[in-house]
Amino acid sequence: SQQGEEDPQALSIQEGENATMNCSYKTSINNLQWYRQNSGRGLVHLILIRSNEREKHSGRLRVTLDTSKKSSSLLITASRAADTASYFCATDDNYGQNFVFGPGTRLSVLP
Amino acid sequence: DGGITQSPKYLFRKEGQNVTLSCEQNLNHDAMYWYRQDPGQGLRLIYYSQIVNDFQKGDIAEGYSVSREKKESFPLTVTSAQKNPTAFYLCASSPRPLIALESQFFGPGTRLTVL
Repeated sequence: SQQGEEDPQALSIQEGENATMNCSYKTSINNLQWYRQNSGRGLVHLILIRSNEREKHSGRLRVTLDTSKKSSSLLITASRAADTASYFCATDDNYGQNFVFGPGTRLSVLP
Repeated sequence: DGGITQSPKYLFRKEGQNVTLSCEQNLNHDAMYWYRQDPGQGLRLIYYSQIVNDFQKGDIAEGYSVSREKKESFPLTVTSAQKNPTAFYLCASSPRPLIALESQFFGPGTRLTVL
């Protein structure tokens, strides 16, 4: 079964609003990463958060990690139409091993 | 069982030598991808192929080359022009070019060390 599970599966918001996506996982992890995927291309890495970190920021992105609940959230603030994509979380329990993606959240930002 | 295989798992090469990493899938997937992972970083896309005999550069294609002569195979050559080739390389495939909520299937990876 998949390690990462994103929630919701699909999300539609208006431009300028904030978007929050959640990810849950089942076993102990070393890192958790969030990726974006635009149509027809592979994954683009957004942010990596280590198991001993609780929060991380990168531009308009904010990621939190709660290892006690085995969950993470990705917040995109002041969304733009260009943020429309699928967002995936991925976990690995050793460096480069068992690198597993969840099914993703499809975000639509409407102008 | 269906899946993606990469070989070898560990590979050592001398600086200046070209090396080819193998990726094979028996999932009948149209699209295949190569990613590179460095310590503490996420995956970065090297090349991708949406269909046989076609491939596109990803974000870090310099110093790499690929071919897609068969649907099930997408070998990656790390050339001597790649300045920092030591990394973990992951191959992936998907049923079709990613246009919807789909996950990629990843191979186990090849760890390349250039001495």
